Amino acid sequence: DAGVIQSPRHEVTEMGQEVTLRCKPISGHDYLFWYRQTMMRGLELLIYFNNNVPIDDSGMPEDRFSAKMPNASFSTLKIQPSEPRDSAVYFCASRGRRYGYTFGSGTRLTVV
Amino acid sequence: SQQGEEDPQALSIQEGENATMNCSYKTSINNLQWYRQNSGRGLVHLILIRSNEREKHSGRLRVTLDTSKKSSSLLITASRAADTASYFCATDDGGTGNQFYFGTGTSLTVIP
Repeated sequence: DAGVIQSPRHEVTEMGQEVTLRCKPISGHDYLFWYRQTMMRGLELLIYFNNNVPIDDSGMPEDRFSAKMPNASFSTLKIQPSEPRDSAVYFCASRGRRYGYTFGSGTRLTVV
Repeated sequence: SQQGEEDPQALSIQEGENATMNCSYKTSINNLQWYRQNSGRGLVHLILIRSNEREKHSGRLRVTLDTSKKSSSLLITASRAADTASYFCATDDGGTGNQFYFGTGTSLTVIP
């Protein structure tokens, strides 16, 4: 298994542009999580899905953030419009029956 | 929030020495996990300890859990330069256990 796959690895965009981050979880894992990591705030849970259904999105910072999981093998996190304070590393993680998460390598987002 | 705190924030030791990191959390839990993050990479699951367990071993790792003090420790014995990374604890909130909250991390440097 290739693990959790995120794309792109790096994204540099201008303020006001739309950004879409992508994630392919491990096949058979029924939980998917989106985290954001910054030096100031550490790892923050943004949203998680169970069987493609959003369960808790209370960590999504603003309406500018949205996430979807149209099927078991794909999820997106969209920021529209992006702002410089959104600059961070965004991680996707998936989990199966066992509690340990498997993380992707992350997307480093820079909004200038 | 349930976000844990690791102590110390940074630790520097010589290769071959033992490294001990501590984690404190706020509310009751079902499970506690430890993760490692190498620079620029995603988090890797190391070990999970359940609330009814007091100690767990995995290779050179030893984890203890004291639920009365709401704290856990991670001991890495006979450290190696390759152990250089950030280490995070993650706890659930004692509810469904589906989502975990990560601490602020301990940055470990093992000097060859």
